[in-house]
Amino acid sequence: SQKIEQNSEALNIQEGKTATLTCNYTNYSPAYLQWYRQDPGRGPVFLLLIRENEKEKRKERLKVTFDTTLKQSLFHITASQPADSATYLCALPDRGSTLGRLYFGRGTQLTVWP
Amino acid sequence: EPEVTQTPSHQVTQMGQEVILRCVPISNHLYFYWYRQILGQKVEFLVSFYNNEISEKSEIFDDQFSVERPDGSNFTLKIRSTKLEDSAMYFCASSRPLSSYNSPLHFGNGTRLTVT
Repeated sequence: SQKIEQNSEALNIQEGKTATLTCNYTNYSPAYLQWYRQDPGRGPVFLLLIRENEKEKRKERLKVTFDTTLKQSLFHITASQPADSATYLCALPDRGSTLGRLYFGRGTQLTVWP
Repeated sequence: EPEVTQTPSHQVTQMGQEVILRCVPISNHLYFYWYRQILGQKVEFLVSFYNNEISEKSEIFDDQFSVERPDGSNFTLKIRSTKLEDSAMYFCASSRPLSSYNSPLHFGNGTRLTVT
């Protein structure tokens, strides 16, 4: 199995600033890592996937890094907006899984205030 | 954009009763999953399903649970003899057939199961 820790349960930032969320894992290094967004009472929504041989991935205002030496992924939201307020989940695959069984972190609740 | 739909959105049942949670995955997806999330906890894997059989299951998915794809569109999770600790949000998910090893999961909005 895999133990995943996401930094502080809650992060509050001002609109326009960059939010940086951390995901650390402790066991094996996964072949890839995913980030999801979850709004209250809703299912997770996929945001980005980064593979072990990729250092960085970008999508619009989102950026993900993956450091297999540190066993860490950082998730950045630049020019944050109140609409970015949600819980962000880090997810890693089970090493022995052939069908994408994922382990999720507990998430970081991001609040962007105007 | 196609989406995974789940019904009902909220199910209340008494301890010991059987419940069936229903899901309609995205139509061209071939890999299906159930996850659950107890209030305030992590999203946890229950089971994956492909080609009309269970591919993997977690320790949570014991004999009390079963899954079925009764027709070409529905995917169901049955919980026999529900317990109080089964109260959670149950999410269905599906993924694309190609490169599914690292394909993202598309989740439904869940069924909130409350066992009283």
